Amino acid sequence: KNEVEQSPQNLTAQEGEFITINCSYSVGISALHWLQQHPGGGIVSLFMLSSGKKKHGRLIATINIQEKHSSLHITASHPRDSAVYICAVSARIQGAQKLVFGQGTRLTINP
Amino acid sequence: GAVVSQHPSWVICKSGTSVKIECRSLDFQATTMFWYRQFPKQSLMLMATSNEGSKATYEQGVEKDKFLINHASLTLSTLTVTSAHPEDSSFYICSAGPLASSTDTQYFGPGTRLTVL
Repeated sequence: KNEVEQSPQNLTAQEGEFITINCSYSVGISALHWLQQHPGGGIVSLFMLSSGKKKHGRLIATINIQEKHSSLHITASHPRDSAVYICAVSARIQGAQKLVFGQGTRLTINP
Repeated sequence: GAVVSQHPSWVICKSGTSVKIECRSLDFQATTMFWYRQFPKQSLMLMATSNEGSKATYEQGVEKDKFLINHASLTLSTLTVTSAHPEDSSFYICSAGPLASSTDTQYFGPGTRLTVL
């Protein structure tokens, strides 16, 4: 079982729909990251969370430390939101702090 | 926000040659840099952790003599793929953070696509 699990793996929606991507993790963490990767490959850091909720434009990220769960929401989705969204946690693995990545959620927004 | 650049953005080389990829933090001092590789439709896989002025720490299964990492300054780390083979073809991404031994704040480079013929 992966230490970071995302769901769904693939998501297709119509423009304007409200999108939710979930991330569950099984290790102790100091922070959780939501990343966006477009087809060209470059990665953009969307959020870094250690508690609560953050909002940036149409994007909202929440984390529940007790339940070891985070969600990324996109309101009023748009085709340009189509990308792979990756959840990653900062965790101490074998004495060193590392990022542990989920497998990603491929989001497609149709016009 | 902080910017991390990578050069080149893509490279094609012949089998047996060596390729150097640079990762630069443009507006902050990167105490720690991480090198990842990503195969198509897979997630990022950590190759090594590089701390300025010291030897890189490689993940299990990553050959340190094949993937040479140098972090000689607080703004530059390089990854050299030596004697490249077609199976080394991949997308290589670096990330950098200002805090020693911490991944809490990380800025990612745009990646370098390596194709070995």
